[in-house]
Amino acid sequence: NAGVMQNPRHLVRRRGQEARLRCSPVKGHSHVYWYRQLPEEGLKFMVYLQKENIIDESGMPKERFSAEFPKEGPSILRIQQVVRGDSAAYFCASSPTPGGLNTEAFFGQGTRLTVV
Amino acid sequence: QKEVEQDPGPLSVPEGAIVSLNCTYSNSAFQYFMWYRQYSRKGPELLMYTYSSGNKEDGRFTAQVDKSSKYISLFIRDSQPSDSATYLCAMRVNTGGFKTIFGAGTRLFVKA
Repeated sequence: NAGVMQNPRHLVRRRGQEARLRCSPVKGHSHVYWYRQLPEEGLKFMVYLQKENIIDESGMPKERFSAEFPKEGPSILRIQQVVRGDSAAYFCASSPTPGGLNTEAFFGQGTRLTVV
Repeated sequence: QKEVEQDPGPLSVPEGAIVSLNCTYSNSAFQYFMWYRQYSRKGPELLMYTYSSGNKEDGRFTAQVDKSSKYISLFIRDSQPSDSATYLCAMRVNTGGFKTIFGAGTRLFVKA
């Protein structure tokens, strides 16, 4: 978990509001991954980004969800018009390279989103 | 059918017991296999990873992969109360990126 910073740790939103989740990767890591964890379920892949590029967003819902990883600053996962079903823990992970046995990702502590 | 099946438990054992955690999978393309430990309200931390069939040992932990049966295991020897956590198996195909598929996790309680 060293170095991946997510904020806020807890976020409460009313239905219809927007949620913005931030992830600062380990210094020097240019690959970021977002996962969602529903209660009593494993992590589900959402999106994989490199600096300024979305590489794989096959796990991202088609509507209301978007992600970016700008040249400067943290990666942002944005959820528009939140609904109760969006309540979950959202984890970010980062790695220095995209694959390989010795470059597994480090996870952050997560942002717990509650939609009321 | 889920790509990765893992019994959610909970599994409760006395301190010092040998713990066996297991996952089965359906996608024969999976080549990298990992075990993560997740404490309550924390992020997952990587315990072990392997890409070949057979055993890999690291201290009190042994990871076992049987690709012919599509079955992986994690053994914990001399379990401690500090091992109480949720253990997630994970796996992926050997391609660029980290589209890792996770099991649902097994909750383990080690009683002092």
